[in-house]
Amino acid sequence: DGGITQSPKYLFRKEGQNVTLSCEQNLNHDAMYWYRQDPGQGLRLIYYSQIVNDFQKGDIAEGYSVSREKKESFPLTVTSAQKNPTAFYLCASTGIRGRGSYEQYFGPGTRLTVT
Amino acid sequence: KNQVEQSPQSLIILEGKNCTLQCNYTVSPFSNLRWYKQDTGRGPVSLTIMTFSENTKSNGRYTATLDADTKQSSLHITASQLSDSASYICVGGSGNNNDMRFGAGTRLTVKP
Repeated sequence: DGGITQSPKYLFRKEGQNVTLSCEQNLNHDAMYWYRQDPGQGLRLIYYSQIVNDFQKGDIAEGYSVSREKKESFPLTVTSAQKNPTAFYLCASTGIRGRGSYEQYFGPGTRLTVT
Repeated sequence: KNQVEQSPQSLIILEGKNCTLQCNYTVSPFSNLRWYKQDTGRGPVSLTIMTFSENTKSNGRYTATLDADTKQSSLHITASQLSDSASYICVGGSGNNNDMRFGAGTRLTVKP
């Protein structure tokens, strides 16, 4: 059963603590992404990685960090420097769909609540 | 500034009825327009992808249209079902998968 898994589904943390969100894919995709979703807003790109051991900042990278040590895994750490971390976090990967177009597949998401 | 705007924000229809959701985009350079369905608390699932050379694409009861001249797209849902209740997200792509602009979505509720 191929796909993207994110864990945990719900995560609660105290303010000031770092927290790491897991993302794993078995689709053999090179590119992986982290997005943040807030009510009434479109998804915003946090970080992306096109190959192992390389990653780039997206539009809202401040207060977040990532690593890409393996093709299958792209964990996201929400640090204490992130001013408003409570949100729904989505991981995605991209593979070729056909006729050269790219299909983006999303994981089920992790809802992080920081109090 | 690249952006995508969707209307309406929310919509309630009766089961069996049709509906059309709208999307205006100002993505440049424009490469593709995508529609996703997102159930509450889940990740988005792709419905259609259209390149600039395509003006319509169907996926079952979902039909997307694209007018590259007016920079508008629509998603038409035929014979709605209760399971169609979800948010529908329009995404404009610039050809670089790292620069996709997501609309805020239209929240559709289908009532029996």
